Amino acid sequence: EPEVTQTPSHQVTQMGQEVILRCVPISNHLYFYWYRQILGQKVEFLVSFYNNEISEKSEIFDDQFSVERPDGSNFTLKIRSTKLEDSAMYFCASSEAGVNSPLHFGNGTRLTVT
Amino acid sequence: LAKTTQPISMDSYEGQEVNITCSHNNIATNDYITWYQQFPSQGPRFIIQGYKTKVTNEVASLFIPADRKSSTLSLPRVSLSDTAVYYCLVGDKEKLVFGTGTRLLVSP
Repeated sequence: EPEVTQTPSHQVTQMGQEVILRCVPISNHLYFYWYRQILGQKVEFLVSFYNNEISEKSEIFDDQFSVERPDGSNFTLKIRSTKLEDSAMYFCASSEAGVNSPLHFGNGTRLTVT
Repeated sequence: LAKTTQPISMDSYEGQEVNITCSHNNIATNDYITWYQQFPSQGPRFIIQGYKTKVTNEVASLFIPADRKSSTLSLPRVSLSDTAVYYCLVGDKEKLVFGTGTRLLVSP
């Protein structure tokens, strides 16, 4: 069964550094998402992306965050200047037809900001 | 924004049927209801999705009454490996928001 893959599985960075989290969505999917989950808390929506532009974003997704689909297969989340509170598990997801079809999630990147 | 409410936790024993009910009073006409399962340190995993009445797949059933203001996920004969957090979500444009979910603990 096709999967969403995320790299790296664990990223450690220093406060103020830029990080790029990478995702390869399922190949025929058109909708892409980033979520995050701080340890012990609920899964939080960050952003959705369709047709090369952001569809929706949450208040968490401020100017420090950006997303890009640089080629036909990758979907990236960039955090420009990381803060301690950005430490979390970041999940990428994709779907065939938006939120009224199943979202397929990757296994996440654990980001640790020191 | 369609908001969902679920029990925070449930306990069950192996072999029992588990029913988790979710309320979504302000569900929109076009919204589907989707349930996900999450194990620790893993991404949420799709279980089942429905619009109305009943949907069944190889792992679960989903019951949705006519007014669609609630739904019930039914897990037949749970095993220890079904211990997880279960989320009920209702579509809202392209912003699918997770609630706190229901933590299901299955004991021997």
